[in-house]
Amino acid sequence: SQKIEQNSEALNIQEGKTATLTCNYTNYSPAYLQWYRQDPGRGPVFLLLIRENEKEKRKERLKVTFDTTLKQSLFHITASQPADSATYLCALVRTGGSYIPTFGRGTSLIVHP
Amino acid sequence: SQTIHQWPATLVQPVGSPLSLECTVEGTSNPNLYWYRQAAGRGLQLLFYSVGIGQISSEVPQNLSASRPQDRQFILSSKKLLLSDSGFYLCAWSVQTGNQPQHFGDGTRLSIL
Repeated sequence: SQKIEQNSEALNIQEGKTATLTCNYTNYSPAYLQWYRQDPGRGPVFLLLIRENEKEKRKERLKVTFDTTLKQSLFHITASQPADSATYLCALVRTGGSYIPTFGRGTSLIVHP
Repeated sequence: SQTIHQWPATLVQPVGSPLSLECTVEGTSNPNLYWYRQAAGRGLQLLFYSVGIGQISSEVPQNLSASRPQDRQFILSSKKLLLSDSGFYLCAWSVQTGNQPQHFGDGTRLSIL
């Protein structure tokens, strides 16, 4: 069956360090992958999208990589700040599908001052 | 700019009571509309999606239903709530072309007593 796996344990890092979150998937042929941020009690907010033919995408302090051979995406936040503390969700959209993403459970990031 | 409104923000209902959650989108036309449920520690579960007025696709069989009486209005309903209906309900919209992100409302926290 199709699975999207994100680390269920919270990632704790010190302010200023680079946070790296992982999204692994099995039995998928994603056309593209999205990353969202979700704060407690709020809806997810879209951050970045990367297509299957793209290796890397950047936006300010954010960087996403997509390795279709490893079936993995990495999400990096450089120079992390306490305000980056949130849950980060990855979502996959299949090729030839209805373009509705399937979401992972998310990983909580806690940046300590 | 586009906005999405969901209400109420929180709701406490007894078992067996009816439910109506409303979602409206402004600033766009012909959006795809979605209802998700997010249980604690779990991913986003797609409940319903709609590509147009009166067109509803159900992803999970349950005692919930959805309706789209107007282009930018999406309603989630139940005739009789169950304890298992407790959760965080999120409405989202996206443009109809492919590879577009979803934009979420701030959700309704539903507690069934």
